[in-house]
Amino acid sequence: SAVISQKPSRDICQRGTSLTIQCQVDSQVTMMFWYRQQPGQSLTLIATANQGSEATYESGFVIDKFPISRPNLTFSTLTVSNMSPEDSSIYLCSVAGTEVRSGGYTFGSGTRLTVV
Amino acid sequence: ELKVEQNPLFLSMQEGKNYTIYCNYSTTSDRLYWYRQDPGKSLESLFVLLSNGAVKQEGRLMASLDTKARLSTLHITAAVHDLSATYFCAGTQGGSEKLVFGKGMKLTVNP
Repeated sequence: SAVISQKPSRDICQRGTSLTIQCQVDSQVTMMFWYRQQPGQSLTLIATANQGSEATYESGFVIDKFPISRPNLTFSTLTVSNMSPEDSSIYLCSVAGTEVRSGGYTFGSGTRLTVV
Repeated sequence: ELKVEQNPLFLSMQEGKNYTIYCNYSTTSDRLYWYRQDPGKSLESLFVLLSNGAVKQEGRLMASLDTKARLSTLHITAAVHDLSATYFCAGTQGGSEKLVFGKGMKLTVNP
């Protein structure tokens, strides 16, 4: 299965600033997904990122707040913009590739964001 | 729209005991997944269930899928402390690759 390197693993940020999270995959994958996990909660999908096209955002998430880049088939970034304490969460990327129907999805190690 | 419900959401059990946890989903789901998450960690894939009647086992955990009942179960046999974690089930719908997660079940196994 794919291996994902996600950076940073954690950060403490001031409100009003932005943070960019990176995910690097060791193989080419068609789709990458970005999730948010608020404290003690389940995972909520933010958006799906395909290479060469605009990301598709889920209800409640907008591009201005969470811009995503997908420059190639092994890399994606998620930016959390104009942060407020409510953005404090764990952010995870995930990939689906040729193994998705048999091997499941792979998740990055997560970025624990605290906004103060 | 697919909705995934887990119960219970919290479970405290003693080592050596057995228990079954449930995952119901609202509409036809193509695939059903079980994940484990340790505190402060990412998600670890446990099982992928692809068809009605599928049963998979790994160590003390066994997962099954009943697509007619829209139900998956995760059975714990002779629990040990190392199984303490949060367990999520998730499904996909209508050919979409997007995962829809349940709320997760926090399991604590006491010595």
